[in-house]
Amino acid sequence: NAGVMQNPRHLVRRRGQEARLRCSPMKGHSHVYWYRQLPEEGLKFMVYLQKENIIDESGMPKERFSAEFPKEGPSILRIQQVVRGDSAAYFCASSPVGPDGYTFGSGTRLTVV
Amino acid sequence: EDQVTQSPEALRLQEGESSSLNCSYTVSGLRGLFWYRQDPGKGPEFLFTLYSAGEEKEKERLKATLTKKESFLHITAPKPEDSATYLCAVQRSNDYKLSFGAGTTVTVRA
Repeated sequence: NAGVMQNPRHLVRRRGQEARLRCSPMKGHSHVYWYRQLPEEGLKFMVYLQKENIIDESGMPKERFSAEFPKEGPSILRIQQVVRGDSAAYFCASSPVGPDGYTFGSGTRLTVV
Repeated sequence: EDQVTQSPEALRLQEGESSSLNCSYTVSGLRGLFWYRQDPGKGPEFLFTLYSAGEEKEKERLKATLTKKESFLHITAPKPEDSATYLCAVQRSNDYKLSFGAGTTVTVRA
């Protein structure tokens, strides 16, 4: 039973490019959460999704960031026109029935040059 | 706004030297307090959930306790493989978000 799979593990983008981060939840998990970890800071909640629904995106910047979790396929966190301040580790977590039992993936480390 | 403060920021221990990590929190209506372990380049790995003051949980050399204002993670006779960053997080009632502290990085020398 594979865990939460995130890819790519490392992503380098130039300023102004787009970054797409993918997350495949654990089998049987239908709830996906994205968190961001900036250097020397704690993990910060970004967005909570269920299949085809965004439940809470209160932690996500209103511009340039979007997330989806389609009926088929992985959840995608998309960052348009990246800036240096977007450099961080982005973690996805999944759970079977709501907030209990979060399992985190290994993260995608985004570097903007 | 929820606040989670972990101390110390870093802890260097000799193998076998027991110690405690602190997590102080302010939250409106605590549903649960979580401890995670994070190794370099990895995602957080779940350790414990504590739900009410007075609760204690143990796993190998780790023991977590909870009061109304703080939680402690006790490491008994640590080994080098216990070296990691330990994260504390709180969850409000009727919520699904976790609010994390900045972590305590523990280094255990052989």
